[in-house]
Amino acid sequence: QKEVEQNSGPLSVPEGAIASLNCTYSDRVSQSFFWYRQYSGKSPELIMSIYSNGDKEDGRFTAQLNKASQYVSLLIRDSQPSDSATYLCAVFDSGGYQKVTFGTGTKLQVIP
Amino acid sequence: SAVISQKPSRDICQRGTSLTIQCQVDSQVTMMFWYRQQPGQSLTLIATANQGSEATYESGFVIDKFPISRPNLTFSTLTVSNMSPEDSSIYLCSVEEKGGKNYGYTFGSGTRLTVV
Repeated sequence: QKEVEQNSGPLSVPEGAIASLNCTYSDRVSQSFFWYRQYSGKSPELIMSIYSNGDKEDGRFTAQLNKASQYVSLLIRDSQPSDSATYLCAVFDSGGYQKVTFGTGTKLQVIP
Repeated sequence: SAVISQKPSRDICQRGTSLTIQCQVDSQVTMMFWYRQQPGQSLTLIATANQGSEATYESGFVIDKFPISRPNLTFSTLTVSNMSPEDSSIYLCSVEEKGGKNYGYTFGSGTRLTVV
């Protein structure tokens, strides 16, 4: 059973701070990793995808991947109240059984 | 990115009836995916739908309960059959996006189903 683990939170950070969201996965052959943001009552929205070890930055968002540790994270700089949402980590296995597995999500609250 | 129109957006249905959910994509896509998200839970893949072939169902989901059609490369339907209150959930369709700076999966707006 391939698993994607996230702390359910809520993670509370003050406005302007850095929010750090973490995710671990169990399958070493996983190759593509995604972070989604989901506002309450809305569908998930893709924020970042990452495939190689290291960091990938896009505006206030930085995704970090460490395949050896089976760990992927999302940093949100200068957090805003509008960032308050549930963040879903997803992992794609491009091996014999191509499938995206989602974590249960971390709820982020940015306090004004 | 692809634009996915999903309908209905919500429905309240009687147990024992069926509901068909439609997804229309503004571009041709090879695979379409159907997910379920129960309250407070993450997304669970129901099945993968390829045009011209039978859908591939995940463990715990069967064709008799969730028949899927994929008549062309821009459209798919998911039917929730013989519904019970346990089927109350949000159902989402999704497509793979290979272009742009962020390869990933785009979701429709979802169908919130309540079975009474």
